[in-house]
Amino acid sequence: QVQLVQSGAEVKKPGASVKVSCKASGYTFTSYYIHWVRQAPGQGLEWMGIINPSGGSTTYAQKFQGRVTMTRDTSTSTVYMELSSLRSEDTAVYYCARSDGDGSDYWGQGTLVTVSS
Amino acid sequence: EIVLTQSPGTLSLSPGERATLSCRASQSVSSNYLAWYQQKPGQAPRLLIYGASSRATGIPDRFSGSGSGTDFTLTISRLEPEDFAVYYCQQYGSSSLTFGGGTKVEIK
Repeated sequence: QVQLVQSGAEVKKPGASVKVSCKASGYTFTSYYIHWVRQAPGQGLEWMGIINPSGGSTTYAQKFQGRVTMTRDTSTSTVYMELSSLRSEDTAVYYCARSDGDGSDYWGQGTLVTVSS
Repeated sequence: EIVLTQSPGTLSLSPGERATLSCRASQSVSSNYLAWYQQKPGQAPRLLIYGASSRATGIPDRFSGSGSGTDFTLTISRLEPEDFAVYYCQQYGSSSLTFGGGTKVEIK
């Protein structure tokens, strides 16, 4: 069965970076895009960007340009999202989600990133 | 960036009633690339509708999507107890995807 399993919760200080992983299984890794979406406590969903695991190409939301990097490792079917220069407003649950271009049908369980001094 | 505005913010209804949720885009959504998601507390979102009107795999037929251009609607024909949740629309017709702010469907 299709699964996206994310890495565990993180606590970071302001100014630090965080790298969240998303390991895919149960399907052909290079056949589906991976999106990253975050959700601040009590807030709505916010799209951060997308990576094509086939060639590694990425598109980032303008808000995160220069601060986010999405990469993939095809040997382990894992996608990574690194966010730098963290501030308190980056405290959120971060989700990876699979897409074939028509909505995201499978989602990871979410990773809580807390930014606090 | 396409801004999606969902209304109402909260919908208070009873089980068995019909729910109508609106999603309005600031500009036309290319090829009606509009999806709807359901999210319950502590859970990841669940895809309900894609392409404005196609139900995702395993989604009951009481959920239906309609609309085109800038105005889209999600209808739940008869609310079941498990349908009380927050619903988000998302457009994926531009290179920068966006979500609406959500509509909470609560028990009256």
